[in-house]
Amino acid sequence: GAVVSQHPSRVICKSGTSVKIECRSLDFQATTMFWYRQFPKQSLMLMATSNEGSKATYEQGVEKDKFLINHASLTLSTLTVTSAHPEDSSFYICSAVVGTTQNIQYFGAGTRLSVL
Amino acid sequence: DQQVKQNSPSLSVQEGRISILNCDYTNSMFDYFLWYKKYPAEGPTFLISISSIKDKNEDGRFTVFLNKSAKHLSLHIVPSQPGDSAVYFCAASGAGGTSYGKLTFGQGTILTVHP
Repeated sequence: GAVVSQHPSRVICKSGTSVKIECRSLDFQATTMFWYRQFPKQSLMLMATSNEGSKATYEQGVEKDKFLINHASLTLSTLTVTSAHPEDSSFYICSAVVGTTQNIQYFGAGTRLSVL
Repeated sequence: DQQVKQNSPSLSVQEGRISILNCDYTNSMFDYFLWYKKYPAEGPTFLISISSIKDKNEDGRFTVFLNKSAKHLSLHIVPSQPGDSAVYFCAASGAGGTSYGKLTFGQGTILTVHP
Protein backbone atom coordinates (compact mmCIF):
# COMPACT_ATOMS: atom_id res chain seq x y z
CA GLY A 1 0.00 0.00 0.00
CA ALA A 2 0.92 3.67 -0.18
CA VAL A 3 3.27 4.99 2.49
CA VAL A 4 2.65 8.22 4.36
CA SER A 5 5.31 9.54 6.69
CA GLN A 6 4.51 11.95 9.49
CA HIS A 7 7.09 13.83 11.53
CA PRO A 8 7.67 14.33 14.40
CA SER A 9 6.01 11.41 16.15
CA ARG A 10 6.00 13.22 19.44
CA VAL A 11 6.57 16.81 20.48
CA ILE A 12 6.47 18.57 23.82
CA CYS A 13 6.41 22.34 23.79
CA LYS A 14 5.79 25.30 26.03
CA SER A 15 2.55 27.22 25.92
CA GLY A 16 2.67 30.05 23.40
CA THR A 17 5.12 28.44 21.00
CA SER A 18 4.32 27.18 17.50
CA VAL A 19 4.74 23.62 16.35
CA LYS A 20 5.05 22.37 12.77
CA ILE A 21 4.03 18.85 11.77
CA GLU A 22 4.99 17.41 8.40
CA CYS A 23 3.12 14.87 6.35
CA ARG A 24 4.83 13.30 3.33
CA SER A 25 3.65 10.83 0.74
CA LEU A 26 6.75 8.71 0.11
CA ASP A 27 5.93 6.65 -2.96
CA PHE A 28 3.13 8.56 -4.62
CA GLN A 29 1.93 12.06 -5.34
CA ALA A 30 -0.95 13.37 -3.28
CA THR A 31 -2.95 16.31 -4.52
CA THR A 32 -5.18 15.99 -1.47
CA MET A 33 -4.22 15.35 2.12
CA PHE A 34 -6.36 15.42 5.24
CA TRP A 35 -5.57 16.44 8.80
CA TYR A 36 -7.33 14.79 11.73
CA ARG A 37 -7.29 15.19 15.45
CA GLN A 38 -8.02 12.48 17.98
CA PHE A 39 -8.76 13.06 21.64
CA PRO A 40 -8.34 10.19 24.11
CA LYS A 41 -10.96 7.47 23.68
CA GLN A 42 -12.63 9.40 20.89
CA SER A 43 -12.84 9.04 17.17
CA LEU A 44 -10.77 10.79 14.54
CA MET A 45 -12.20 14.19 13.78
CA LEU A 46 -11.45 15.79 10.43
CA MET A 47 -9.88 19.22 10.85
CA ALA A 48 -9.17 20.27 7.29
CA THR A 49 -8.59 19.19 3.73
CA SER A 50 -5.26 20.21 2.27
CA ASN A 51 -5.12 20.78 -1.48
CA GLU A 52 -1.84 21.16 -3.33
CA GLY A 53 -1.40 24.66 -4.66
CA SER A 54 -4.53 26.10 -3.08
CA LYS A 55 -5.95 27.06 0.27
CA ALA A 56 -6.98 24.42 2.73
CA THR A 57 -10.64 23.81 3.47
CA TYR A 58 -11.38 23.82 7.18
CA GLU A 59 -14.16 22.01 8.97
CA GLN A 60 -16.67 23.94 10.98
CA GLY A 61 -15.28 25.00 14.34
CA VAL A 62 -11.61 24.68 13.37
CA GLU A 63 -9.72 27.96 13.58
CA LYS A 64 -7.78 28.48 10.37
CA ASP A 65 -5.51 31.07 11.96
CA LYS A 66 -4.70 28.63 14.74
CA PHE A 67 -4.01 25.64 12.54
CA LEU A 68 -2.09 26.78 9.49
CA ILE A 69 -1.92 24.33 6.63
CA ASN A 70 0.47 24.53 3.71
CA HIS A 71 0.48 22.05 0.81
CA ALA A 72 3.31 23.43 -1.30
CA SER A 73 4.17 20.27 -3.21
CA LEU A 74 2.55 17.03 -4.32
CA THR A 75 4.33 15.10 -1.58
CA LEU A 76 4.28 17.43 1.41
CA SER A 77 1.64 19.06 3.58
CA THR A 78 2.42 20.81 6.85
CA LEU A 79 0.23 21.68 9.81
CA THR A 80 1.43 24.45 12.10
CA VAL A 81 -0.22 24.82 15.47
CA THR A 82 0.32 28.48 16.28
CA SER A 83 0.61 29.83 19.80
CA ALA A 84 -0.12 26.40 21.24
CA HIS A 85 -1.98 26.07 24.51
CA PRO A 86 -2.54 23.05 26.76
CA GLU A 87 -5.99 22.48 25.25
CA ASP A 88 -4.28 21.89 21.89
CA SER A 89 -2.60 18.81 23.31
CA SER A 90 -3.85 15.93 21.22
CA PHE A 91 -2.96 13.28 18.67
CA TYR A 92 -2.76 14.74 15.16
CA ILE A 93 -2.88 12.44 12.16
CA CYS A 94 -2.58 13.16 8.46
CA SER A 95 -3.74 11.10 5.55
CA ALA A 96 -3.29 11.17 1.80
CA VAL A 97 -5.27 9.84 -1.11
CA VAL A 98 -3.79 8.05 -4.08
CA GLY A 99 -4.74 9.29 -7.51
CA THR A 100 -8.36 10.12 -8.09
CA THR A 101 -9.76 7.40 -5.87
CA GLN A 102 -10.30 9.63 -2.91
CA ASN A 103 -12.25 7.15 -0.88
CA ILE A 104 -9.24 5.21 0.38
CA GLN A 105 -7.01 7.30 2.60
CA TYR A 106 -3.59 6.19 3.78
CA PHE A 107 -2.57 7.50 7.16
CA GLY A 108 0.64 8.66 8.74
CA ALA A 109 1.69 7.34 12.13
CA GLY A 110 0.44 10.43 13.92
CA THR A 111 2.00 13.11 16.12
CA ARG A 112 1.43 13.27 19.85
CA LEU A 113 1.49 16.96 20.84
CA SER A 114 1.82 17.86 24.51
CA VAL A 115 1.68 21.55 25.41
CA LEU A 116 2.94 22.40 28.90
CA ASP B 1 -24.36 14.49 15.66
CA GLN B 2 -22.66 11.11 15.36
CA GLN B 3 -23.36 9.99 11.80
CA VAL B 4 -21.31 6.80 12.13
CA LYS B 5 -21.73 4.78 15.28
CA GLN B 6 -19.94 1.81 16.69
CA ASN B 7 -22.02 0.96 19.72
CA SER B 8 -19.71 -1.68 21.15
CA PRO B 9 -16.66 -0.04 22.70
CA SER B 10 -14.95 -3.39 23.12
CA LEU B 11 -15.09 -7.02 22.03
CA SER B 12 -13.24 -10.02 23.42
CA VAL B 13 -12.85 -13.19 21.34
CA GLN B 14 -10.99 -16.46 21.65
CA GLU B 15 -8.28 -17.21 19.12
CA GLY B 16 -9.63 -19.18 16.16
CA ARG B 17 -13.19 -17.98 16.61
CA ILE B 18 -15.03 -15.36 14.59
CA SER B 19 -14.92 -11.67 15.48
CA ILE B 20 -17.88 -9.57 14.38
CA LEU B 21 -17.61 -5.81 14.60
CA ASN B 22 -20.68 -3.72 13.91
CA CYS B 23 -21.26 -0.23 12.60
CA ASP B 24 -24.40 1.83 11.99
CA TYR B 25 -24.78 5.03 10.03
CA THR B 26 -27.49 7.63 9.67
CA ASN B 27 -26.56 9.60 6.56
CA SER B 28 -28.18 8.09 3.47
CA MET B 29 -25.70 9.98 1.27
CA PHE B 30 -22.86 7.74 2.38
CA ASP B 31 -22.02 5.36 -0.42
CA TYR B 32 -18.59 4.03 0.43
CA PHE B 33 -17.55 2.36 3.64
CA LEU B 34 -14.17 1.41 5.03
CA TRP B 35 -12.68 -0.41 7.98
CA TYR B 36 -9.42 0.68 9.51
CA LYS B 37 -7.30 -1.00 12.17
CA LYS B 38 -5.31 1.08 14.61
CA TYR B 39 -2.65 0.28 17.17
CA PRO B 40 -1.90 2.70 20.02
CA ALA B 41 0.21 5.71 19.01
CA GLU B 42 -0.01 4.77 15.33
CA GLY B 43 -2.11 5.95 12.43
CA PRO B 44 -4.99 3.81 11.14
CA THR B 45 -4.22 1.10 8.61
CA PHE B 46 -6.68 0.47 5.81
CA LEU B 47 -8.22 -3.02 5.97
CA ILE B 48 -11.13 -3.41 3.61
CA SER B 49 -13.84 -1.35 1.96
CA ILE B 50 -17.18 -1.76 0.27
CA SER B 51 -19.18 0.28 -2.17
CA SER B 52 -22.90 0.76 -1.66
CA ILE B 53 -23.61 -1.14 -4.86
CA LYS B 54 -22.40 -4.31 -3.17
CA ASP B 55 -23.53 -6.14 -0.08
CA LYS B 56 -20.39 -8.15 0.57
CA ASN B 57 -16.66 -7.84 0.02
CA GLU B 58 -14.12 -10.42 1.07
CA ASP B 59 -10.35 -10.24 1.45
CA GLY B 60 -8.69 -13.21 3.07
CA ARG B 61 -9.83 -13.50 6.68
CA PHE B 62 -11.75 -10.24 6.47
CA THR B 63 -15.28 -9.88 5.11
CA VAL B 64 -17.41 -6.77 5.20
CA PHE B 65 -21.18 -6.97 4.88
CA LEU B 66 -23.39 -4.02 4.04
CA ASN B 67 -27.14 -3.79 4.68
CA LYS B 68 -28.21 -0.52 3.11
CA SER B 69 -31.83 -0.75 4.14
CA ALA B 70 -30.77 -1.06 7.76
CA LYS B 71 -27.86 1.38 7.34
CA HIS B 72 -25.65 -1.22 8.96
CA LEU B 73 -22.34 -2.79 8.13
CA SER B 74 -20.23 -5.37 9.85
CA LEU B 75 -16.69 -6.68 9.68
CA HIS B 76 -16.12 -10.39 10.15
CA ILE B 77 -12.68 -11.71 10.97
CA VAL B 78 -12.29 -15.46 10.81
CA PRO B 79 -10.32 -17.09 12.21
CA SER B 80 -9.34 -14.43 14.71
CA GLN B 81 -5.68 -14.20 15.70
CA PRO B 82 -4.00 -12.50 18.69
CA GLY B 83 -2.31 -10.12 16.25
CA ASP B 84 -5.75 -8.84 15.29
CA SER B 85 -6.04 -7.20 18.71
CA ALA B 86 -6.37 -3.47 18.00
CA VAL B 87 -8.92 -0.70 17.70
CA TYR B 88 -11.14 -1.04 14.65
CA PHE B 89 -12.72 2.04 13.11
CA CYS B 90 -15.60 2.08 10.71
CA ALA B 91 -15.61 5.03 8.29
CA ALA B 92 -17.97 6.30 5.64
CA SER B 93 -17.80 8.72 2.75
CA GLY B 94 -20.29 10.23 0.32
CA ALA B 95 -19.71 10.94 -3.36
CA GLY B 96 -20.01 14.31 -4.94
CA GLY B 97 -20.19 17.85 -3.66
CA THR B 98 -18.19 19.04 -0.72
CA SER B 99 -18.35 15.69 1.01
CA TYR B 100 -16.30 13.90 -1.65
CA GLY B 101 -13.25 12.26 -0.19
CA LYS B 102 -14.05 13.16 3.40
CA LEU B 103 -14.27 10.30 5.85
CA THR B 104 -16.55 10.24 8.86
CA PHE B 105 -15.31 7.85 11.50
CA GLY B 106 -17.09 5.85 14.17
CA GLN B 107 -15.83 5.85 17.74
CA GLY B 108 -13.94 2.62 17.35
CA THR B 109 -14.19 -0.86 18.89
CA ILE B 110 -11.33 -2.35 20.86
CA LEU B 111 -10.90 -5.97 19.79
CA THR B 112 -8.98 -8.32 22.05
CA VAL B 113 -8.21 -11.81 20.79
CA HIS B 114 -7.13 -14.17 23.55
CA PRO B 115 -4.73 -17.04 22.81
